[in-house]
Amino acid sequence: KNQVEQSPQSLIILEGKNCTLQCNYTVSPFSNLRWYKQDTGRGPVSLTIMTFSENTKSNGRYTATLDADTKQSSLHITASQLSDSASYICVVSAGSNYQLIWGAGTKLIIKP
Amino acid sequence: NAGVMQNPRHLVRRRGQEARLRCSPMKGHSHVYWYRQLPEEGLKFMVYLQKENIIDESGMPKERFSAEFPKEGPSILRIQQVVRGDSAAYFCASSGASDSPLHFGNGTRLTVT
Repeated sequence: KNQVEQSPQSLIILEGKNCTLQCNYTVSPFSNLRWYKQDTGRGPVSLTIMTFSENTKSNGRYTATLDADTKQSSLHITASQLSDSASYICVVSAGSNYQLIWGAGTKLIIKP
Repeated sequence: NAGVMQNPRHLVRRRGQEARLRCSPMKGHSHVYWYRQLPEEGLKFMVYLQKENIIDESGMPKERFSAEFPKEGPSILRIQQVVRGDSAAYFCASSGASDSPLHFGNGTRLTVT
């Protein structure tokens, strides 16, 4: 069964600190892995999209890694800011956009 | 604003009424996807449409729910005879091709009283 599991479920850190969110998946076939940020009351916004051959991809203070052998991905946030408070969702594509397997998300809270 | 536009942002309906949710995709996008999100839960795929055609509706309940994306105008998600369990946030996304990045709207929050 295709599944995407994220950990932790929620995380609270102080402003300025770094954090790493985890994503494990069992999806076949694998097309790409995406990380989205969803602010409360808003739609998800794409952070990164990684294909099978990409190990690391950065978008500003966000760095995603992908290990296709172990089927794991991580999202590292550097020097967190209050505006980073949001849900971060890992999504794996099994082909086209309607074949996306969505994780439940990690709720990140940044405290001043 | 060239983003995905959804309206209304909030919709309140009494049990048994109809709800119509609208989505205007990004300019140039012909692929539209509808998702549903319950509080504290992830997004659940409902239906995928490409101009005038439903490509995949495997996530949409067979009864009371329907979707369309006409040649002209926005995509519409229609829920007939709403029940309390239909209360959720409904998100629309669009893309230029079936595997190109998704762009989401800010959703319609449906409350059934």
